[in-house]
Amino acid sequence: EAGVTQFPSHSVIEKGQTVTLRCDPISGHDNLYWYRRVMGKEIKFLLHFVKESKQDESGMPNNRFLAERTGGTYSTLKVQPAELEDSGVYFCASSQLTGSNTEAFFGQGTRLTVV
Amino acid sequence: GESVGLHLPTLSVQEGDNSIINCAYSNSASDYFIWYKQESGKGPQFIIDIRSNMDKRQGQRVTVLLNKTVKHLSLQIAATQPGDSAVYFCAENRDGATNKLIFGTGTLLAVQP
Repeated sequence: EAGVTQFPSHSVIEKGQTVTLRCDPISGHDNLYWYRRVMGKEIKFLLHFVKESKQDESGMPNNRFLAERTGGTYSTLKVQPAELEDSGVYFCASSQLTGSNTEAFFGQGTRLTVV
Repeated sequence: GESVGLHLPTLSVQEGDNSIINCAYSNSASDYFIWYKQESGKGPQFIIDIRSNMDKRQGQRVTVLLNKTVKHLSLQIAATQPGDSAVYFCAENRDGATNKLIFGTGTLLAVQP
């Protein structure tokens, strides 16, 4: 069974450009999470989907970030326009259930570099 | 790989020694804790978890200890191997309804052969 996959693995863009990151969760997992790790700091929560609905988007830094999960399958995270401080590694995770004691499986991450 | 200029707490151990990685958490209401291992170029990988009604849990070569009084979590790795070299993150689950994780800053474990 495939794990959580993210595309692209690396992206280098100029400040002001737009980038779209994609995450394919494990099949059957209703819960999908986006996290990011900026400049080697701690991994921080961005948002949580349950199927196609945004359950919690309290971690989204500002309105330059837009996440979607149309149809409740894969998700995209678009940054428009990108700024230098958006550089970091963006992780996606999925889980089948919510609640404590539920393991979330992470993808390999997308390393975004804004120059 | 990691970014240039990264300053993670680092633990350097000799192969075969035991490693202890520590983590402090802030929310006494958190009831579920997880340790993740992140190797270069990969996402965080689940190692072991513990619920707040326990103070110790053992896995294969790993043990997690939870001290709720001082809000401290530790990961012990027995007979550390070169393949254990990675960044280790503790994470707490503060909201069982969403399974949202709050991560610590991470510790870089460097195993010397």
